[in-house]
Amino acid sequence: GESVGLHLPTLSVQEGDNSIINCAYSNSASDYFIWYKQESGKGPQFIIDIRSNMDKRQGQRVTVLLNKTVKHLSLQIAATQPGDSAVYFCAENEYGNKLVFGAGTILRVKS
Amino acid sequence: GAGVSQSPSNKVTEKGKDVELRCDPISGHTALYWYRQSLGQGLEFLIYFQGNSAPDKSGLPSDRFSAERTGGSVSTLTIQRTQQEDSAVYLCASSLGDLPNSPLHFGNGTRLTVT
Repeated sequence: GESVGLHLPTLSVQEGDNSIINCAYSNSASDYFIWYKQESGKGPQFIIDIRSNMDKRQGQRVTVLLNKTVKHLSLQIAATQPGDSAVYFCAENEYGNKLVFGAGTILRVKS
Repeated sequence: GAGVSQSPSNKVTEKGKDVELRCDPISGHTALYWYRQSLGQGLEFLIYFQGNSAPDKSGLPSDRFSAERTGGSVSTLTIQRTQQEDSAVYLCASSLGDLPNSPLHFGNGTRLTVT
């Protein structure tokens, strides 16, 4: 969803459940997308990336889905753990070497 | 191995003073980026270096902001005559090559507070 100022969208999930974090990107010409995880007081940590010639890519416990028709990206986390609690950002490569970041989604994992 | 290192981790300065923020990228990474993150916000691109050259400075907010990189390694971001709206976390990232071949790896940032 949309985020305004400090009010980032928040997803709360029970430990062990699957999480799905969504992102709408802006530029139909973007050809590369990345998901980052940011814990409090730390820099963003690379999770997984995908190029525009793919619609799905899997990593360890994570899957990224890309729907270019509706300019939508999602990150699926399997068997969510307390250590997954963080802010998650999607980013798109619009042109050159510039990554444009979304506003972020807070993931809270309840034990 | 060692990641991207930034110093200082925290900086408090008075309005009107100049500040320098330092970034040590991952060894061998040719590309270096500076981003800014305001409280609760996403990341705002500032500048990109390839080697010692800065082909994209489009994100620098004003001429009070400048950055340099020497020896294809360490980079310094300088903010002159700081203003309160400059308060943010300044993040540095490096990558092995250009996008989309190499993802960015970020440091933990410098939190700048202008009083």
